Amino acid sequence: SAVISQKPSRDICQRGTSLTIQCQVDSQVTMMFWYRQQPGQSLTLIATANQGSEATYESGFVIDKFPISRPNLTFSTLTVSNMSPEDSSIYLCSARGGPTTNEKLFFGSGTQLSVL
Amino acid sequence: SQQGEEDPQALSIQEGENATMNCSYKTSINNLQWYRQNSGRGLVHLILIRSNEREKHSGRLRVTLDTSKKSSSLLITASRAADTASYFCASLNSGYSTLTFGKGTMLLVSP
Repeated sequence: SAVISQKPSRDICQRGTSLTIQCQVDSQVTMMFWYRQQPGQSLTLIATANQGSEATYESGFVIDKFPISRPNLTFSTLTVSNMSPEDSSIYLCSARGGPTTNEKLFFGSGTQLSVL
Repeated sequence: SQQGEEDPQALSIQEGENATMNCSYKTSINNLQWYRQNSGRGLVHLILIRSNEREKHSGRLRVTLDTSKKSSSLLITASRAADTASYFCASLNSGYSTLTFGKGTMLLVSP
């Protein structure tokens, strides 16, 4: 199984600033994803992080607001830009397609973001 | 992508009782998976059932799948206080790209 380290685990930010979340996987994986989970809600896919190319964004999410990088097969970042209180959520990194499994997702422990 | 529905939204039981959670989805799937989340943190994969399977067991977990009704259920037998968590179903569509998560069931198991 893949172990995913995500940081920071939580942050409190001011409106208008940006936060970059880092996600490190302990093995090479095929696919990496970023999810948002608003308080008491389910997970909503933000984008698929593509290695060496632009991320694939889901409807309602744009690159200017959530720029994503994936420079190699084990690392990705998500930036939440120009934050507003509506961006307060848990952001989750996940990965799929490691050496032993190609279907189930592994998750980082999440970043709890509060925007004041 | 549209999210599926789960019911109940919340379930409160006593230790030793069984807990049943249901999930519905909207599109043709390759497989359906169940995940557990403790205290709003990272999710942990529990069990996967493929579209050509009807029932699967793993320890105290039993999952069923009815593709004609686009529904699945997760049964946790002999529940323990440590089973207290939120449980989500997630469907992998036939295009084999991304998982779509249901709204989740919050399970509380009291000692």
